[in-house]
Amino acid sequence: DAGITQSPRHKVTETGTPVTLRCHQTENHRYMYWYRQDPGHGLRLIHYSYGVKDTDKGEVSDGYSVSRSKTEDFLLTLESATSSQTSVYFCAIKSDTEAFFGQGTRLTVV
Amino acid sequence: GENVEQHPSTLSVQEGDSAVIKCTYSDSASNYFPWYKQELGKRPQLIIDIRSNVGEKKDQRIAVTLNKTAKHFSLHITETQPEDSAVYFCAASRTGGSYIPTFGRGTSLIVHP
Repeated sequence: DAGITQSPRHKVTETGTPVTLRCHQTENHRYMYWYRQDPGHGLRLIHYSYGVKDTDKGEVSDGYSVSRSKTEDFLLTLESATSSQTSVYFCAIKSDTEAFFGQGTRLTVV
Repeated sequence: GENVEQHPSTLSVQEGDSAVIKCTYSDSASNYFPWYKQELGKRPQLIIDIRSNVGEKKDQRIAVTLNKTAKHFSLHITETQPEDSAVYFCAASRTGGSYIPTFGRGTSLIVHP
């Protein structure tokens, strides 16, 4: 494994509540990514980071924010969870070529 | 930006048959094409990749081919086994840490014993 962990692994939350997912890496990689995976849509980029305090939006960023105060941690926040955000969320780090994924977080919004 | 199309979305084969998954990309500057395998409930993991200066690469029962002119690349699995059953994703990117990989929508491969 590439030294990337996500927490929590599973979460059920209610509509309208804020939720924060954490991604932690031990590889000192500069680039980190948050994807969501939904049937028929593959892996879609939510936000990414290219360094501490440097982040940018991906293709499905609405309703999400991120923060990166340390190289090793990249947080994804759902500001007010909606049922459409029920998904599996993957964090990834990237070397020069290969992307390494965390184990994923299954989030259910009820 | 880059756009990656992947087909088919589902592929069902008998054990021992070959399986082929095809992807096309739009950005002629892309030069790195990885394939990831995701078993049920697990994370995607790299199984093979190819760079644009190579036309074909093999690793045991899997191979990848690249046609830069047509902007398409394919994954070939020979002598399929039930443990090959998984979702396979292609991706296109450039070498260099700053380039974000763009993924296809995935192919669910089912190998029937």
